[in-house]
Amino acid sequence: GAGVSQTPSNKVTEKGKYVELRCDPISGHTALYWYRQSLGQGPEFLIYFQGTGAADDSGLPNDRFFAVRPEGSVSTLKIQRTERGDSAVYLCASSLEGGRTYNEQFFGPGTRLTVL
Amino acid sequence: AQSVSQHNHHVILSEAASLELGCNYSYGGTVNLFWYVQYPGQHLQLLLKYFSGDPLVKGIKGFEAEFIKSKFSFNLRKPSVQWSDTAEYFCAVKGRGSSGSARQLTFGSGTQLTVLP
Repeated sequence: GAGVSQTPSNKVTEKGKYVELRCDPISGHTALYWYRQSLGQGPEFLIYFQGTGAADDSGLPNDRFFAVRPEGSVSTLKIQRTERGDSAVYLCASSLEGGRTYNEQFFGPGTRLTVL
Repeated sequence: AQSVSQHNHHVILSEAASLELGCNYSYGGTVNLFWYVQYPGQHLQLLLKYFSGDPLVKGIKGFEAEFIKSKFSFNLRKPSVQWSDTAEYFCAVKGRGSSGSARQLTFGSGTQLTVLP
């Protein structure tokens, strides 16, 4: 079956520009997560959605970062006024539901963002 | 706050050697523990998990991990590695409870394993 998909796979932009990264979760998964993985590091949590609402956005580094999931399926991570330090691989994961203690998170291939 | 420490950044082994990758975590509550693997050019995949019961858990491809609560550790082991085990391995913790931290995974910085044929 189809896994988590993310587009684009690579994005190169210039400092100060706006970017949008898309995540398409596994069908039926109500929980969706965004993580950021910098070079040589493990993934770091950014935001978690349960359905359409952001249940936990404590990992967003600042107000330049924003994410939406208007219909409870596809999610878009938006970064305004990009900075070189935003360069990283942005990972999306989904799970069946976030309400229970444990549900396996399935990860997408990531979007590699490079800010020049 | 949760944190995960992986002691080895890069491990190089010959085929058939035994493997042990260290993982220690810090969290003031009950945890779920995971090992994820990322093969070259592929996305993160779950290798094994622990959330209760027998502290020795077995995963795919002959991997196992032991949860030692007193040491806050969850080390990954494999008796005999293969060239195809070359990958990056991440330990992760997920807090249990009703708070927001029960949802997110906190990852270690990863260990790159290279198995020489």
